[in-house]
Amino acid sequence: KNEVEQSPQNLTAQEGEFITINCSYSVGISALHWLQQHPGGGIVSLFMLSSGKKKHGRLIATINIQEKHSSLHITASHPRDSAVYICAVGNNDMRFGAGTRLTVKP
Amino acid sequence: GAVVSQHPSRVICKSGTSVKIECRSLDFQATTMFWYRQFPKQSLMLMATSNEGSKATYEQGVEKDKFLINHASLTLSTLTVTSAHPEDSSFYICSASTEGGELFFGEGSRLTVL
Repeated sequence: KNEVEQSPQNLTAQEGEFITINCSYSVGISALHWLQQHPGGGIVSLFMLSSGKKKHGRLIATINIQEKHSSLHITASHPRDSAVYICAVGNNDMRFGAGTRLTVKP
Repeated sequence: GAVVSQHPSRVICKSGTSVKIECRSLDFQATTMFWYRQFPKQSLMLMATSNEGSKATYEQGVEKDKFLINHASLTLSTLTVTSAHPEDSSFYICSASTEGGELFFGEGSRLTVL
């Protein structure tokens, strides 16, 4: 079993839909990161979470430390949100989920 | 926001040669830098963690003599793929961490070994 499990692996949505991507982990962590990787390969860190909830624009990330689970939500999705979203846990010993490939159709 | 610059973005080399990839934090001092490898359609795989002035810590299965990492200053880390072979062809990415644990990623370097 992977230390970091993401679901779904692939997700196709219509523009405007509400998106949820889930991440479960089995290791103790000090922080969890949500990353966005566009087709060109560049990676952007969206959130770093150690507890609770963070919001940035249309993106919301939540974490439940007791349940070892985090979710990334995208409200009013747009085609430009199409990317691979990766959950990563840890600091110096970072472990990555397999990624969720999101396609938002106009 | 903080920027991490990675160079070169693409490199093609012959088998047996060595290739150096640089990772620079442009507007902050990075206490820790990370090197990752990514195969097509797969997620990131952490190769090693480097702290300025000390030896890198390699993940299990990563050959330290094959992938030389130098973190000479708080703004520069280099990854040298020595005696490259076609199976080393991959997308290599670095990231730099602030003291607060925020991560900033380089643009990645696509290595093709002929």
